[in-house]
Amino acid sequence: QQQVKQSPQSLIVQKGGISIINCAYENTAFDYFPWYQQFPGKGPALLIAIRPDVSEKKEGRFTISFNKSAKQFSLHIMDSQPGDSATYFCAAEEAGSARQLTFGSGTQLTVLP
Amino acid sequence: EAGVAQSPRYKIIEKRQSVAFWCNPISGHATLYWYQQILGQGPKLLIQFQNNGVVDDSQLPKDRFSAERLKGVDSTLKIQPAKLEDSAVYLCASSAQTGGTYEQYFGPGTRLTVT
Repeated sequence: QQQVKQSPQSLIVQKGGISIINCAYENTAFDYFPWYQQFPGKGPALLIAIRPDVSEKKEGRFTISFNKSAKQFSLHIMDSQPGDSATYFCAAEEAGSARQLTFGSGTQLTVLP
Repeated sequence: EAGVAQSPRYKIIEKRQSVAFWCNPISGHATLYWYQQILGQGPKLLIQFQNNGVVDDSQLPKDRFSAERLKGVDSTLKIQPAKLEDSAVYLCASSAQTGGTYEQYFGPGTRLTVT
């Protein structure tokens, strides 16, 4: 599987601040880029996703920015809340029948009250 | 809609013992995945089923891991014999094509500790 590189490994943000997590990929066959949120003891849950035909997608306080030429995408969490404290994974899915996800290494976000 | 069910939630075994995990996907989901998530890392795909056939098992350590999907619904993942490095959370996910998207829904996982 091709790698998806994620940074930072951990992030501490004050309540109300903006959290930014970055990912980069190499495989140009990737055509679907989801972000997953995982709380302790739970499985990952889809948060928001984007396809490379758009440069930005916003859902509530969560925004994905996508730069196809740089092969990078990022998650922005506006007005971060303590309830957003979790591990966030970026992922990429390759076009074709298999539809397999390649995950980044994760970012542990802590939002201080 | 019921989510992906997994059992057991926790398992502690000694090295060289065997262990099995069970997964019941969301009803109607044809595709089922098993992932291994080592502490501090992202999930890594072990095997993918489409109905009861294997789509990809290229990252499954076949000398000790095996998996099956009975009648295209439930699935079991077995490790025999277990090694210390198998300590991880084993996640099951399922998906169904919906309007061109293939969202994967994950179960809570089974945390395996090998001592």
